[in-house]
Amino acid sequence: QQQVKQSPQSLIVQKGGISIINCAYENTAFDYFPWYQQFPGKGPALLIAIRPDVSEKKEGRFTISFNKSAKQFSLHIMDSQPGDSATYFCAASMRTGGSEKLVFGKGTKLTVNP
Amino acid sequence: DTGVSQDPRHKITKRGQNVTFRCDPISEHNRLYWYRQTLGQGPEFLTYFQNEAQLEKSRLLSDRFSAERPKGSFSTLEIQRTEQGDSAMYLCASSLDWGIYGYTFGSGTRLTVV
Repeated sequence: QQQVKQSPQSLIVQKGGISIINCAYENTAFDYFPWYQQFPGKGPALLIAIRPDVSEKKEGRFTISFNKSAKQFSLHIMDSQPGDSATYFCAASMRTGGSEKLVFGKGTKLTVNP
Repeated sequence: DTGVSQDPRHKITKRGQNVTFRCDPISEHNRLYWYRQTLGQGPEFLTYFQNEAQLEKSRLLSDRFSAERPKGSFSTLEIQRTEQGDSAMYLCASSLDWGIYGYTFGSGTRLTVV
């Protein structure tokens, strides 16, 4: 119940195309859904995040779409660039008692061809 | 203060040896987290500190693992009697509030147990 399922495992798009990564969760206690971008040898970096009372959030070329009833959310990268080539992780935040933690998906390796 | 610092960046150790990693969070962040990331997987939660109090430990954190955060500043993660299965990237993150502004991750310590 604490899993976050992410797909696809890998994605190849052409420069200028749209990259779409999907995630699904089961636990309705999750209350914050961030996306992280990770380059080789680096830690994950926060890209964009959304709360379940919002259906869409856009920041520049990055958009999160959130479907609370379906318990699904997705990341759309518009006008994908070679510099976007990285591994992307969706995550969900859970607070229990006095603690908080992130549950991550398994990641999507995005390759943007020039 | 430009981010979360982790030391060392890489550690190769023989099976059975003890290792200790250090994390220096962003100075004003009172929350500190340790995660473990294996190849091709998303980070997995290990433990959480609020100031100097360790408020949650994952079941992944066996008795061989111990973490401290004296005086609510830097944190250390020690692994005793290392096993090959401990080989992973150990990530530290910090945050100011309930992750609302996102966690800031360090670049991690890559542990290889031979």
